[in-house]
Amino acid sequence: DVQLQESGPDLVKPSQSLSLTCTVTGYSITSGYSWHWIRQFPGNKLEWMGYIHYSGSTNYNPSLKSRISITRDTSKNQFFLQLNSVTTEDTATYYCASSSYAMDYWGQGTSVTVSS
Amino acid sequence: QIVLTQSPAIMSASPGEKVTITCSASSSVSYMHWFQQKPGTSPKLWIYSTSNLASGVPARFSGSGSGTSYSLTISRMEAEDAATYYCQQRSSYPPIFTFGSGTKLEIK
Repeated sequence: DVQLQESGPDLVKPSQSLSLTCTVTGYSITSGYSWHWIRQFPGNKLEWMGYIHYSGSTNYNPSLKSRISITRDTSKNQFFLQLNSVTTEDTATYYCASSSYAMDYWGQGTSVTVSS
Repeated sequence: QIVLTQSPAIMSASPGEKVTITCSASSSVSYMHWFQQKPGTSPKLWIYSTSNLASGVPARFSGSGSGTSYSLTISRMEAEDAATYYCQQRSSYPPIFTFGSGTKLEIK
């Protein structure tokens, strides 16, 4: 079974960068699927942020395009989220997920607060 | 970008009652996925490609729809079905994924 686990700091200061890691076990991120970052705001709204395809190509939500980067380390079977110039509005629970026909595997999520 | 509007936002149902949650798309889409989320947990794929139940989903759940109108139905509500349900779709090009605002379903 595919398993995903998010990790990273739970507190980030405004104007800094948010960096998270998703470690994948049970499947190689270069074998197939798209590998996503999704966030859930307080109040429970879900927002898709972007993905990195198993080929290495990326696609981002246009609302974040100037601030987001998704990369990977294939040797560690990990992919990463970097979100620049964060504000308090980026406070959310961040999930990584994989999709073939649908987002069928999710990590447990990591809560990130943006605060000085 | 397609907007998904779910209704109702909150509802409660008695055990055994039939439940229907709707998802309206701002433009025609070819399918809809549904997710179930319980407090403190990540969303789970529940129904995919409009009408296919994900692994382990009870047969009392069903999905239907086409065009701009989709629905998730529970034939007979059970306590374990209390959760928030989200619809989700992906536009063709560029591929942008959108979630509905969610329907919180409570047990009476």
